[in-house]
Amino acid sequence: QKEVEQDPGPLSVPEGAIVSLNCTYSNSAFQYFMWYRQYSRKGPELLMYTYSSGNKEDGRFTAQVDKSSKYISLFIRDSQPSDSATYLCAMRWGGGADGLTFGKGTHLIIQP
Amino acid sequence: EAGVTQFPSHSVIEKGQTVTLRCDPISGHDNLYWYRRVMGKEIKFLLHFVKESKQDESGMPNNRFLAERTGGTYSTLKVQPAELEDSGVYFCASSQAGLLEQYFGPGTRLTVT
Repeated sequence: QKEVEQDPGPLSVPEGAIVSLNCTYSNSAFQYFMWYRQYSRKGPELLMYTYSSGNKEDGRFTAQVDKSSKYISLFIRDSQPSDSATYLCAMRWGGGADGLTFGKGTHLIIQP
Repeated sequence: EAGVTQFPSHSVIEKGQTVTLRCDPISGHDNLYWYRRVMGKEIKFLLHFVKESKQDESGMPNNRFLAERTGGTYSTLKVQPAELEDSGVYFCASSQAGLLEQYFGPGTRLTVT
């Protein structure tokens, strides 16, 4: 069993739709949860991170963590064609400078 | 402020040859990380420097890989001798001391033929 599971997609939705992206994980020691966005031929770009369980909102983006279910989500409201990219979840154990454990990424396509 | 830069952007070498990848982190970032993405797989952690010291190299696949960070600035990752399974995209990331955010470079695409 992989440490982090993420459906690679592609996930195709019409412009303006609400997008839901998800990851599950197996290691209950993970405490910090991140979402990265990666455009083609570019490096991952950090969108948001949360600590432990709960929600965090930043503009059109909302991150949710449910540690009891080992399940994290990223919601994108009013999706735009410019949101088309690969979205990667990542996590780490502590607040120090640990290496990240990534999911495979979900390829998202927003249709104009 | 310049971001993390990596050189070269793409390298094609033959099996058995040596390749050296370079990463220049964001100025002032003490933490430097190397990651690798093999085709069809997730991005995997290779190692972590704090300044010039290796903090964690648990992800290094074998002793054909050698990372250095002399002077605590830029870092190099040497693969010698390269094997077919070393093909992939090698990412470098850096972060400030005490902060969570890791900033990634654009990656070096390595193809071993």
